[in-house]
Amino acid sequence: QVQLQESGPGLVKPSGTLSLTCIVSGDSIYNYYWSWIRQPPGKGLEWLGHIYYSGNTDYNPSLKSRVTLSVDTSKNQFSLKLISVTAADTAVYYCARVEPMDQSLTWGRGTLVTVSS
Amino acid sequence: DIRLTQSPSSLSASVGDRVTITCRASQSVRNYLNWYQQRSGKAPQRLIFAVSTLQSGVPSRFSGGGSGTDFTLTISSLQPEDVATYYCQQSYSTPYTFGQGTKVEI
Repeated sequence: QVQLQESGPGLVKPSGTLSLTCIVSGDSIYNYYWSWIRQPPGKGLEWLGHIYYSGNTDYNPSLKSRVTLSVDTSKNQFSLKLISVTAADTAVYYCARVEPMDQSLTWGRGTLVTVSS
Repeated sequence: DIRLTQSPSSLSASVGDRVTITCRASQSVRNYLNWYQQRSGKAPQRLIFAVSTLQSGVPSRFSGGGSGTDFTLTISSLQPEDVATYYCQQSYSTPYTFGQGTKVEI
């Protein structure tokens, strides 16, 4: 079964760039959409966007100007980049696979990113 | 964006009780409605997809129902391991959105 593991810095400075990678194991990255979701401490879930293995993307309009998703099929991984971060971007960031029949989500374990100087 | 409203926001029930959580969408999401369970400090896990299909391994005391804009998640006999926050999610149109969550306690 597929396993997803997020990796990246746990601390980012305000106005900096948050960069995370999700390594996919147990299945191919081909023929799926791959999502990023975040959850501020003690709060609910926010979908950031998804990317197809071919590179097609769809972003949440609330973040569209700041977020970029990319995919590396040779490494079976995909990535998130969020620019101009503030303390409001402090959250646990999850990567997930979008299931093709119903677009429900299979989640990674998540990684906490704190924005602080 | 499609807004999902869950009720109640939290509940406390006894072991063995029947528990029902509702999720109302601001417009029809057809059958693209999913439920996730998030235990404390853990990632959400898919519980039910496409309104009523149980994820493999999920106990049969969980069930989902509804259509269009009104959906339910029912736990027929609450168990201690069901303590968690439950989220509904619509995957009908992007941006995908989630309900605000329902915290279930014993």
